[in-house]
Amino acid sequence: EAGVTQFPSHSVIEKGQTVTLRCDPISGHDNLYWYRRVMGKEIKFLLHFVKESKQDESGMPNNRFLAERTGGTYSTLKVQPAELEDSGVYFCASSRQGDSPLHFGNGTRLTVT
Amino acid sequence: ILNVEQSPQSLHVQEGDSTNFTCSFPSSNFYALHWYRWETAKSPEALFVMTLNGDEKKKGRISATLNTKEGYSYLYIKGSQPEDSATYLCAFLWGNWALIFGKGTTLSVSS
Repeated sequence: EAGVTQFPSHSVIEKGQTVTLRCDPISGHDNLYWYRRVMGKEIKFLLHFVKESKQDESGMPNNRFLAERTGGTYSTLKVQPAELEDSGVYFCASSRQGDSPLHFGNGTRLTVT
Repeated sequence: ILNVEQSPQSLHVQEGDSTNFTCSFPSSNFYALHWYRWETAKSPEALFVMTLNGDEKKKGRISATLNTKEGYSYLYIKGSQPEDSATYLCAFLWGNWALIFGKGTTLSVSS
């Protein structure tokens, strides 16, 4: 089966611009997670979808971040307007059930200058 | 605030040494404990998912134990090899199905 794919792999934008990250989970995986790793630190939870519904978005840092999951398939994470501290690697992961292991994408490295 | 603690933060061993790391998590509202292996420039890969108190899992030279009553899990690597060098993450699955990660233990194995 195809793995979790993320696009783009890298993005360099200026402060104040908008960036949209995309994640395509493994087909049939209802659970989709977004995580962020900043400055080589730990992986921080952002939010969790079950199908198209946001199960938990307690990790979203502020209202500049907006995540959607259209029809319970792919998901997008939009940052608008981007700030310097948003730089990091954004990982998407999916799982079939809530207690199944996560399958991670390769991440999107976002650099805000 | 849920806290998942891993120790040590980093570890340097010689090839052939056996080693172990600790993951501490809240003992209430427990659903599962995951272990992942994360190599540099790659994405995390699942090692184990553990759900029952007393669980023991094994994959090759790597094994893990789980104590849900006291809130800890140990990951063991027997006869470390250079290819075992990676960051080992544990993650706690709690009631809202959010998987919360610890900061990881970075293992470096010298030949």
